[in-house]
Amino acid sequence: NAGVTQTPKFRILKIGQSMTLQCTQDMNHNYMYWYRQDPGMGLKLIYYSVGAGITDKGEVPNGYNVSRSTTEDFPLRLELAAPSQTSVYFCASTSNVVSGTSYEQYFGPGTRLTVT
Amino acid sequence: TQLLEQSPQFLSIQEGENLTVYCNSSSVFSSLQWYRQEPGEGPVLLVTVVTGGEVKKLKRLTFQFGDARKDSSLHITAAQPGDTGLYLCAGALETSGSRLTFGEGTQLTVNP
Repeated sequence: NAGVTQTPKFRILKIGQSMTLQCTQDMNHNYMYWYRQDPGMGLKLIYYSVGAGITDKGEVPNGYNVSRSTTEDFPLRLELAAPSQTSVYFCASTSNVVSGTSYEQYFGPGTRLTVT
Repeated sequence: TQLLEQSPQFLSIQEGENLTVYCNSSSVFSSLQWYRQEPGEGPVLLVTVVTGGEVKKLKRLTFQFGDARKDSSLHITAAQPGDTGLYLCAGALETSGSRLTFGEGTQLTVNP
């Protein structure tokens, strides 16, 4: 049982390039989330999904896109990368079946992205 | 304006000392969670509190949920270097569905 996995662990992008951050969970969780964490800061929600085929914006969605074609996968797409997107990105998942309305989240190890 | 305010933001103490970290809000949460994050890793859930006034203990860590469910505290007794990390509180608002609101964290360093 791997939990939540993210790839890649590190990436350097040039301004204007695009990339997809991958996230997979093997816990059959219906809810999945993408956060960014800037140095010394907490977590800001980018996008989230309550199930396959359903996604919604969080606090800071600009510059990002997501899709949820399966329960397991929730990729995050960066189009036209900008220096402001330099951050650590975390994917998380939860299940209301397991945690009820507490939505206790399980996090992946993160992707460290630098845009120069 | 941060919905969940954590204090202090940074804390550096000697091994063996006690400490308390606070998480405060003007909003009522249906539940509140504490996570610990070590360098280079994702946050890991420590505890969830759901009832006003609830106290939970996890070895040397004591968590309390305020009576009005607007605040929480984390107390560590006899801190050890292994307690070093970023402590994050996160709350579930009844109006926010499955989204959690995170505080900005308390960076704890325990020196040997």
